[in-house]
Amino acid sequence: EDKVVQSPLSLVVHEGDTVTLNCSYEVTNFRSLLWYKQEKKAPTFLFMLTSSGIEKKSGRLSSILDKKELFSILNITATQTGDSAIYLCAVEVRGGSNYKLTFGKGTLLTVNP
Amino acid sequence: EAGVTQFPSHSVIEKGQTVTLRCDPISGHDNLYWYRRVMGKEIKFLLHFVKESKQDESGMPNNRFLAERTGGTYSTLKVQPAELEDSGVYFCASSQDEGLTGELFFGEGSRLTVL
Repeated sequence: EDKVVQSPLSLVVHEGDTVTLNCSYEVTNFRSLLWYKQEKKAPTFLFMLTSSGIEKKSGRLSSILDKKELFSILNITATQTGDSAIYLCAVEVRGGSNYKLTFGKGTLLTVNP
Repeated sequence: EAGVTQFPSHSVIEKGQTVTLRCDPISGHDNLYWYRRVMGKEIKFLLHFVKESKQDESGMPNNRFLAERTGGTYSTLKVQPAELEDSGVYFCASSQDEGLTGELFFGEGSRLTVL
């Protein structure tokens, strides 16, 4: 069965800290890995990674994928209280002509002032 | 542009009752997905529509769940009769491209509580 494991499950830091969120996976027919941020209700898209070793960056957030070791990390530098959210990692898998996401449980990040 | 909208935001019903959740995808998005998160667990895939056709319904838990997308626009997910373990948040998502070559846009979810 396809599996995505995120760690830690929960993290509390102070503003200005840098955090690294981890996502490892065991899936068949890997297509891409995605990171989402869920602040209140709807998960919102952050990054999609398909190739190893190519860092994707958006402001203070960055992410990289290692397809050999089957993991990805999401870095957030100089954290702000607005970064508090659940960060979801999902792997897009393909089954025949079908595509679906397999999610991890998420990492709950709390940034305190 | 309106995002993915879901109705209701929260529904509380008793075991054995019926609930219908609705999802309006982003206009023009042929691909519509239903996912579910039960407490303490991961968000799990339920099914995928391409227009009005069920492309993949391998994640549907059992035959108490019925999803429809008549006309290829909005979709409904009916649970009948509801059981306690059906409680959770039901997310709908849509995308223009199959295979997530583009982004997958999520709705805010419909929380279902079965008492």
